[in-house]
Amino acid sequence: TQLLEQSPQFLSIQEGENLTVYCNSSSVFSSLQWYRQEPGEGPVLLVTVVTGGEVKKLKRLTFQFGDARKDSSLHITAAQPGDTGLYLCAAQTSGTYKYIFGTGTRLKVLA
Amino acid sequence: GAVVSQHPSWVICKSGTSVKIECRSLDFQATTMFWYRQFPKQSLMLMATSNEGSKATYEQGVEKDKFLINHASLTLSTLTVTSAHPEDSSFYICSARNGVGQPQHFGDGTRLSIL
Repeated sequence: TQLLEQSPQFLSIQEGENLTVYCNSSSVFSSLQWYRQEPGEGPVLLVTVVTGGEVKKLKRLTFQFGDARKDSSLHITAAQPGDTGLYLCAAQTSGTYKYIFGTGTRLKVLA
Repeated sequence: GAVVSQHPSWVICKSGTSVKIECRSLDFQATTMFWYRQFPKQSLMLMATSNEGSKATYEQGVEKDKFLINHASLTLSTLTVTSAHPEDSSFYICSARNGVGQPQHFGDGTRLSIL
């Protein structure tokens, strides 16, 4: 069974702090996505990474895909209360048609 | 772009009722749609994958006679929870994509509560 383990599971920080969320697996992926989900809503796509070692930035969010395409990280700089939510990584393995989701990281940013 | 509409957003009904949930891609053709179930404070669990014009592929442990999926067009897939019971209460989310390797885009989910 392919698993995507996210860490930490829960994170509560003060506004202005930095944080990093990790998404790890023993499998190699052709692509990996990061989503943010708010209560009662569907996940919203933040980014897709495809190339090993790739780094993408989205305002205060920095996403990195591991060189071996087995892991990824999401770094948030100067977190704000609006960043609060459930962060999910998802990956599609080569040759398959479906995605597996990470275990999720629930982030709460306190004002 | 890439908007997925899911309807209804909230359903409350009695045990034994069948409930249909619709998932529409509004501005793109969805060759594949996925149906997920999410329990409180947990990640998404894939239930089934539907490709337009063919039978859905169900994940292990998901009863295909309980969760009927139809993907009759490139913009619409439906999930029918047949004879729903309280244990079927959950948050159901669909997603759609327009080709292999493309990212999936999610609907806003349907909260199903069976009394």
